[in-house]
Amino acid sequence: GAVVSQHPSRVICKSGTSVKIECRSLDFQATTMFWYRQFPKKSLMLMATSNEGSKATYEQGVEKDKFLINHASLTLSTLTVTSAHPEDSSFYICSLPNTDTQYFGPGTRLTVL
Amino acid sequence: QKEVEQDPGPLSVPEGAIVSLNCTYSNSAFQYFMWYRQYSRKGPELLMYTYSSGNKEDGRFTAQVDKSSKYISLFIRDSQPSDSATYLCAMSASKNNDMRFGAGTRLTVKP
Repeated sequence: GAVVSQHPSRVICKSGTSVKIECRSLDFQATTMFWYRQFPKKSLMLMATSNEGSKATYEQGVEKDKFLINHASLTLSTLTVTSAHPEDSSFYICSLPNTDTQYFGPGTRLTVL
Repeated sequence: QKEVEQDPGPLSVPEGAIVSLNCTYSNSAFQYFMWYRQYSRKGPELLMYTYSSGNKEDGRFTAQVDKSSKYISLFIRDSQPSDSATYLCAMSASKNNDMRFGAGTRLTVKP
């Protein structure tokens, strides 16, 4: 399967600050990457689809101005949580489509105090 | 009604038991069915992938899809403590697009 890395693995920040999460494909180029959010004991919810060279597409109810996505290259997508609030505390996971399914990164746990 | 329904458990079994995990779904357009295993504080890892109806076996794991009933299953034979994790079903109508997940079933295999 594909190798996907995320950085940082864990971040704690104060309310009102912005946090950037990186998702990298280590072994193949990806024109599309997906960003998910997972609350404790809940399933993964797709937030947005990151498209290299064009704007990201967001799922209904996800604020595009709050969750900024930049697909900088074929191996890197970043998610920036702007003006983070405690309710944004969650586990953020990216995934890459490859052949028939998706391969997930290890996730980033965000805690907003 | 949720698109994908999965009993969150928790499910606890003794080592060596056969485990049955299930999901039901409502969208008849789903064609691709996956099972992911997620350890605590880690990203999901792909276990099994099935296209359309039928069975697929990989070692101790067997995935079944019954599209007529909109029901999928994952069986784990000779369960091991290392199988303790949350198991997520996932499905989509087209390759790599718009994947929908179940809530995940937390499994504990006791030695």
